[in-house]
Amino acid sequence: GENVEQHPSTLSVQEGDSAVIKCTYSDSASNYFPWYKQELGKRPQLIIDIRSNVGEKKDQRIAVTLNKTAKHFSLHITETQPEDSAVYFCAVFSSGSARQLTFGSGTQLTVLP
Amino acid sequence: EAQVTQNPRYLITVTGKKLTVTCSQNMNHEYMSWYRQDPGLGLRQIYYSMNVEVTDKGDVPEGYKVSRKEKRNFPLILESPSPNQTSLYFCASSYLPTGKNGYTFGSGTRLTVV
Repeated sequence: GENVEQHPSTLSVQEGDSAVIKCTYSDSASNYFPWYKQELGKRPQLIIDIRSNVGEKKDQRIAVTLNKTAKHFSLHITETQPEDSAVYFCAVFSSGSARQLTFGSGTQLTVLP
Repeated sequence: EAQVTQNPRYLITVTGKKLTVTCSQNMNHEYMSWYRQDPGLGLRQIYYSMNVEVTDKGDVPEGYKVSRKEKRNFPLILESPSPNQTSLYFCASSYLPTGKNGYTFGSGTRLTVV
């Protein structure tokens, strides 16, 4: 099946700085790459996604970039705020026989005031 | 309100005692899935269902069963729970397997098996 690796596992940044989280995947047939945010004690929620025919997508302070050749994609958060503190999961959808969404291991982002 | 309802939120049980975690969605979603969340391992898929009476194994199906007799319900069954099934469980639903527009997750069930 798909293998998704996410780095780093923990990330601390000063408020106002940028944060970058990276994921790599193994299946070249993967074609959909969402990012989920999970606040403490809450359920995961979709924050941004990108399809394989697009290289970059932005939504206000967050952006995702995709490099299909290298099989990696990244989440970029600019001007971080304390409310950005959460666990972030990347995910990959494989359109092959499994047709399932595989999540990365998560990144605990802490924004220091 | 569109939602996925999971019950119970917390459960402590003993090894070998059968249990069921219920999951129900009111959005007419065809796709439903169960995940377990463990520290450092992220969300790992247990089982998923493309539609009524169609279920398939995810990455960690051992020790679990599911059924999809109605579109809205997707219960997770642990026939003989063991301590290594202590985890946080999430049910999720979506119109499509990709979760385009996002999976809707339930509030989670924290299971402890002693």
